[in-house]
Amino acid sequence: KAGVTQTPRYLIKTRGQQVTLSCSPISGHRSVSWYQQTPGQGLQFLFEYFSETQRNKGNFPGRFSGRQFSNSRSEMNVSTLELGDSALYLCASSFTRGNEQFFGPGTRLTVL
Amino acid sequence: GQQLNQSPQSMFIQEGEDVSMNCTSSSIFNTWLWYKQDPGEGPVLLIALYKAGELTSNGRLTAQFGITRKDSFLNISASIPSDVGIYFCAGGITGTASKLTFGTGTRLQVTL
Repeated sequence: KAGVTQTPRYLIKTRGQQVTLSCSPISGHRSVSWYQQTPGQGLQFLFEYFSETQRNKGNFPGRFSGRQFSNSRSEMNVSTLELGDSALYLCASSFTRGNEQFFGPGTRLTVL
Repeated sequence: GQQLNQSPQSMFIQEGEDVSMNCTSSSIFNTWLWYKQDPGEGPVLLIALYKAGELTSNGRLTAQFGITRKDSFLNISASIPSDVGIYFCAGGITGTASKLTFGTGTRLQVTL
């Protein structure tokens, strides 16, 4: 069974731009969560989607948003990029809410 | 954002030695997970714990869910070079959300 896939793996943007990251969960998994990982703050929860609805949100500004499609694939968007948004963005999927989460390889975003 | 306290922060051990690390929280969780992350990759799930006092093994790895539900422990027996990486604990509240709160990480280095 294929694991969680994330595209792109690497991304370089400049301040003020916006970016969209994509995540395909493990087949059959319906819950997708997003995390931001930085050296200073570690792994921080962004939001969770289940059945195309955002179910929980972390403590991030409104510039961070996401959505989930009917096939459970998910995208996250960051608008008006800031230097501090440089991070590894990780997507995790689980069969249903509250089960073990399996992570993708992440998208490394660099904001210049 | 909140991070759980993990100790030690880093360990430098010899091949064949046993390793112990722990994770503590000021909040109660009803799920504890342990992950390992290699450079440039997403975290890989090692062990999941769902019940206070539970002791679960996965090969050379053994983890325990603390009785107070505010801590968890991971032991690695007879370490080998491929055990090198960063180990993260994560606490979750199942049934309501899939938001995981991660620990600060323990960096393990193994010498021959």
